[in-house]
Amino acid sequence: DQQVKQNSPSLSVQEGRISILNCDYTNSMFDYFLWYKKYPAEGPTFLISISSIKDKNEDGRFTVFLNKSAKHLSLHIVPSQPGDSAVYFCAASGTTSGTYKYIFGTGTRLKVLA
Amino acid sequence: NAGVTQTPKFQVLKTGQSMTLQCAQDMNHEYMSWYRQDPGMGLRLIHYSVGAGITDQGEVPNGYNVSRSTTEDFPLRLLSAAPSQTSVYFCASTRTGRTEAFFGQGTRLTVV
Repeated sequence: DQQVKQNSPSLSVQEGRISILNCDYTNSMFDYFLWYKKYPAEGPTFLISISSIKDKNEDGRFTVFLNKSAKHLSLHIVPSQPGDSAVYFCAASGTTSGTYKYIFGTGTRLKVLA
Repeated sequence: NAGVTQTPKFQVLKTGQSMTLQCAQDMNHEYMSWYRQDPGMGLRLIHYSVGAGITDQGEVPNGYNVSRSTTEDFPLRLLSAAPSQTSVYFCASTRTGRTEAFFGQGTRLTVV
């Protein structure tokens, strides 16, 4: 039972255009969401996060939107650059018994074309 | 400025062998976790710990053991390796359950 889903395995975007990566979750206990970027042969690195009390968080070229009623979040990258080509994972954190754990999605491979 | 350190980076095991993947962090984080990454499956949580002496199972715990005797270290043990455990393993630490997690560089394990 996949609690965090990224339904698009891959995405190609032209340099300078907007990249939109999507993520859906099923568990209503999740109340903190994160996006990670991963290059080959490296560990994932943190990009941006959002708490469930907000619906938008922005950091430079990266913006995360959260739609709690739809249990959906998205990452917007504007403008996209070739160095953004990587695998992007969304993650969700929440608790049922006082301890938190992070659950990750399956990832979306973004390719930014020069 | 080490962050999260995983050893070894690469390992080949024969079926039935045992080994321990090491993970250490120097940020005094309470939370530590182990994930495995497989093609098309993303990062799946194996075990996690919310402090020294406290561990719990994640999504795919079978075949793996953990313990947390210190804040810094969180080793992952494979008691009897199986080909299905061929994967890339990542260790992560986070200050709380509501902050970003920092990942190690990964251990690529092949079981033949």
